[in-house]
Amino acid sequence: KQEVTQIPAALSVPEGENLVLNCSFTDSAIYNLQWFRQDPGKGLTSLLLIQSSQREQTSGRLNASLDKSSGRSTLYIAASQPGDSATYLCAVRRMEYGNKLVFGAGTILRVKS
Amino acid sequence: DTEVTQTPKHLVMGMTNKKSLKCEQHMGHRAMYWYKQKAKKPPELMFVYSYEKLSINESVPSRFSPECPNSSLLNLHLHALQPEDSALYLCASSLQGVPSYEQYFGPGTRLTVT
Repeated sequence: KQEVTQIPAALSVPEGENLVLNCSFTDSAIYNLQWFRQDPGKGLTSLLLIQSSQREQTSGRLNASLDKSSGRSTLYIAASQPGDSATYLCAVRRMEYGNKLVFGAGTILRVKS
Repeated sequence: DTEVTQTPKHLVMGMTNKKSLKCEQHMGHRAMYWYKQKAKKPPELMFVYSYEKLSINESVPSRFSPECPNSSLLNLHLHALQPEDSALYLCASSLQGVPSYEQYFGPGTRLTVT
């Protein structure tokens, strides 16, 4: 059974700081990994999708890496802003069950101004 | 247009009511999904439709009945729900039912069962 863990569960940083969110998964047989952002009571916004053959993806101030063999992904946020405050979720798509996203519990990020 | 829309935004229903949730996308996506999210928990997959056919049912109780009338529309029919079914219901879509494609989520319907 695939399990996805995100560390830390919550993070509070001052504005401007660079930060790293971590995601680990137990089964390395995945198609890809997707990072999402969720604001309170809202839907999910897709941030980055990394295929299993890729090592990293970048979008603006966000950079996500994937090390499939060790079962780890990181989301790097540069120069954080108060508008980045949200819950960040990672999800993996298993090879055995292609269309199913298995989510981690998320990291609640607060960026203080 | 990378938008998935859901209606209604909020729904309050009694345990004997019948109601429906609606999801729509006009991105030409052929796979659509229903997820359930309880407070402070990650989303959990309920159903997957691929090319208008149900391809995955995650052992969801029969009081939840999905329907995909066409490639742009996904409904979730609700009947005789329990208070523990109160949650945020999220719809998502992807280009095809192929794992390499990104899933796009709607804003969700906040359901309260009284």
